[in-house]
Amino acid sequence: AQTVTQSQPEMSVQEAETVTLSCTYDTSESDYYLFWYKQPPSRQMILVIRQEAYKQQNATENRFSVNFQKAAKSFSLKISDSQLGDAAMYFCAYRPETSYDKVIFGPGTSLSVIP
Amino acid sequence: DTAVSQTPKYLVTQMGNDKSIKCEQNLGHDTMYWYKQDSKKFLKIMFSYNNKELIINETVPNRFSPKSPDKAHLNLHINSLELGDSAVYFCASSQDKRQGNFYEQYFGPGTRLTVT
Repeated sequence: AQTVTQSQPEMSVQEAETVTLSCTYDTSESDYYLFWYKQPPSRQMILVIRQEAYKQQNATENRFSVNFQKAAKSFSLKISDSQLGDAAMYFCAYRPETSYDKVIFGPGTSLSVIP
Repeated sequence: DTAVSQTPKYLVTQMGNDKSIKCEQNLGHDTMYWYKQDSKKFLKIMFSYNNKELIINETVPNRFSPKSPDKAHLNLHINSLELGDSAVYFCASSQDKRQGNFYEQYFGPGTRLTVT
C-alpha cells in the first residue's frame, strides 16, 4: 500500500530565512504525481506546487521549490525568503497515475514563521 | 467565482440528529471527493465519485451516505450523528486524467461539524 510520511510534525523559521519540509513516500508505481498543499488557519486547502514523477526537473513556483529524488522516494519542499503568511500546515500528497482518484496525504507539518 | 463551495461552513448539532452537507463545483471536473479531517489534522478520504458513479468508498460507517445528483454536486448525508463524527469535512474535485495532465484536487472551504 502506498504511504506518505512527513517526519517533522512542527517546524519554525525566521522571517526572510529558508526552510525545508521533508516528505517521503512508499510506492511500487513508476508513474505518479506529487503535491504540496498549504492549509493556513483559515483551513482552506491551497495547492502550493506539483511534480510529475516522469520529469527529472524539480518544480518551482516563485519562492517555493521542491527537491524530488525519485530513487530515494523523497519530495521535500523548500520555502525561500519566508514570510509571515507562509505560516500554515503543509501536506505532502501522492497520486498514482494508474488510479487517478486515489490521493494519499501525509500527516502534515505545522510551520511557524517567527518575525 | 468560488470554484468549490460547501454549505454550511459551520454545523453544530446534537447526537442522534441527521444532517447534510452540500458541495458544488463549477470547474467542469468529473471527479468529486469527500474527506474527513480529524482534530490532529489528518486528512482521510471517505468517498470519491466520477461522473455521478461511486468510485471510492473507504471504511466509513453506513450512517454516511453520499449522493451525486449530477457531476457538479456531491452531497454528504449523515444519519444518527455521534460525538466521534465531529471533524472538518472537505469536499474536493479534480479533472479526470483524460482531461489533462495535471489533476490536482481543488478543495472547498470545509465544513466544521460539531456534535454535542
